[in-house]
Amino acid sequence: DGGITQSPKYLFRKEGQNVTLSCEQNLNHDAMYWYRQDPGQGLRLIYYSQIVNDFQKGDIAEGYSVSREKKESFPLTVTSAQKNPTAFYLCASSIDGGAPRGYTFGSGTRLTVV
Amino acid sequence: GNSVTQMEGPVTLSEEAFLTINCTYTATGYPSLFWYVQYPGEGLQLLLKATKADDKGSNKGFEATYRKETTSFHLEKGSVQVSDSAVYFCALYTGGFKTIFGAGTRLFVKA
Repeated sequence: DGGITQSPKYLFRKEGQNVTLSCEQNLNHDAMYWYRQDPGQGLRLIYYSQIVNDFQKGDIAEGYSVSREKKESFPLTVTSAQKNPTAFYLCASSIDGGAPRGYTFGSGTRLTVV
Repeated sequence: GNSVTQMEGPVTLSEEAFLTINCTYTATGYPSLFWYVQYPGEGLQLLLKATKADDKGSNKGFEATYRKETTSFHLEKGSVQVSDSAVYFCALYTGGFKTIFGAGTRLFVKA
């Protein structure tokens, strides 16, 4: 079955450490996205990518970085510059940019700073 | 700017009760509207959508009608089940690369 796989499901980060969240899709979707979800809040867009080797900042890109070397993969690195990284991170994809027909989401990665 | 406002939760209902979760929006142009559902510890799943005024989206017994005159897209279900307990997000797409999500409404259904 086609879908989006995020790993790991839980991740713990020490202060000053960079960590990378994995996102892989086998839906043949061109567009991929990273969202951050905090308790009681809606989703906020971190980065998005329309095609391979191209990506754009979303609303809260500071302290994060991404790459898009393959169509299937869109990893997110949370750097030490992100001062409050504890959150639930969701990767999504869509057939067309901006998801006018809706997103497909992964199951998420919960990141905790220890 | 564009925005989505959902009723605050949590909403607590008994099994077989009628559900309404209110969603209103502010947008220029002609947005597409969505409802997503998030079960505990999971990502969001697209529940239903509507792309133009007076369209009704429906899925799994849930439905919502795109009302341009009241700028609303309220989610309804005639008889909820315990398995419907989740967080529901209303969302808005107006073009470009951005979908705007509401803050989510948590639903608890008691047996």
